[in-house]
Amino acid sequence: GAVVSQHPSRVICKSGTSVKIECRSLDFQATTMFWYRQFPKQSLMLMATSNEGSKATYEQGVEKDKFLINHASLTLSTLTVTSAHPEDSSFYICSARVTRGYGYTFGSGTRLTVV
Amino acid sequence: GESVGLHLPTLSVQEGDNSIINCAYSNSASDYFIWYKQESGKGPQFIIDIRSNMDKRQGQRVTVLLNKTVKHLSLQIAATQPGDSAVYFCAERGPNTGNQFYFGTGTSLTVIP
Repeated sequence: GAVVSQHPSRVICKSGTSVKIECRSLDFQATTMFWYRQFPKQSLMLMATSNEGSKATYEQGVEKDKFLINHASLTLSTLTVTSAHPEDSSFYICSARVTRGYGYTFGSGTRLTVV
Repeated sequence: GESVGLHLPTLSVQEGDNSIINCAYSNSASDYFIWYKQESGKGPQFIIDIRSNMDKRQGQRVTVLLNKTVKHLSLQIAATQPGDSAVYFCAERGPNTGNQFYFGTGTSLTVIP
């Protein structure tokens, strides 16, 4: 089935540094990927929609200069958390629409801890 | 975004019993809904979906019911097993949001052996 591979699964970084998270669609082409963040015991909050070859669309309240999204190919989307701070610590998850059918598949998530 | 909420944040059931998880959504124009299961530290896993032109859809041990009149979804799990313990989310897709999904709060299901 359709698989989205997300890396890294866990990352710890120092405050002020940047972290890149990658999501790859392994056996299908993902023209659109979605990025979510999830705080403990809370739901997934959509951050942005990533479209191949064009600028990402950000949800209201999400800083696009802080959360840089690049979707350079049909199989790869990246989220870069720039100048990370402890409040950015969260679980980040990507998702892509399966090209056949209506399902959406998710990556395994990235646990970001900023110290 | 749309508001999707769940009535019960936690649910405990005995192994072998049936589970019912409820969800209310806010956008009457939403055309597609998905139930996801999320285990601790993992990404959501697709369970079952339903389009707005349907009232019911069945999968393996799971059934989703859609009541558009009251904007309500439910997920029924038959013969609940310990492996079903997880957080369950419903998500709705609005018709004009570029395929984005908005998730509900989540219900934590605990299966008691």
